[in-house]
Amino acid sequence: GAVVSQHPSWVICKSGTSVKIECRSLDFQATTMFWYRQFPKQSLMLMATSNEGSKATYEQGVEKDKFLINHASLTLSTLTVTSAHPEDSSFYICSARGLAGITGELFFGEGSRLTVL
Amino acid sequence: AQSVAQPEDQVNVAEGNPLTVKCTYSVSGNPYLFWYVQYPNRGLQFLLKYITGDNLVKGSYGFEAEFNKSQTSFHLKKPSALVSDSALYFCAVRDWGGANNLFFGTGTRLTVIP
Repeated sequence: GAVVSQHPSWVICKSGTSVKIECRSLDFQATTMFWYRQFPKQSLMLMATSNEGSKATYEQGVEKDKFLINHASLTLSTLTVTSAHPEDSSFYICSARGLAGITGELFFGEGSRLTVL
Repeated sequence: AQSVAQPEDQVNVAEGNPLTVKCTYSVSGNPYLFWYVQYPNRGLQFLLKYITGDNLVKGSYGFEAEFNKSQTSFHLKKPSALVSDSALYFCAVRDWGGANNLFFGTGTRLTVIP
């Protein structure tokens, strides 16, 4: 199946710094990628939909100035957590749709665990 | 609006026994249903999907799921559980709003006891 690579897997940063997480589709082009946040023992919460060449669509309650999303190419989307604080510590996961379109499954990255000290 | 419910937070089963992880759904259009598995500190892995056709869908690692329209259910099953099946399982339904994202259930933690 299609492969989505997410980097870094783990990141620890100091409060007030910014962290960038990359999501790459390795063997297919993804016009749409999704970013999720997952709290311990909870389901995935969709944060935003990333569209290549246009602005991301954020879910209600997600601060777009806090979580900057860029989808500069058909194989790369980035999530930047700006001025991170301890409450931003979480597991962030990206996904991309396979070539089958709306009937296709989503392929997920391995996730990035962010810890803000 | 679309939604899925996974009524059990935790399912325990002995190794070698059959397992069932339950999922019910509510959709306003055609029900495109999916099952994913998540291992600790990992992303989600696709197991199987129902789009149309046979109600019994076979997927990865010996898993299968039965689509039941009258009961609006899509339970995940496996005839003989393995310890390595222990993980977090998510049922999902295609969200027909926006960019057709998937809407996930709250997850069921499966523990297979040796």
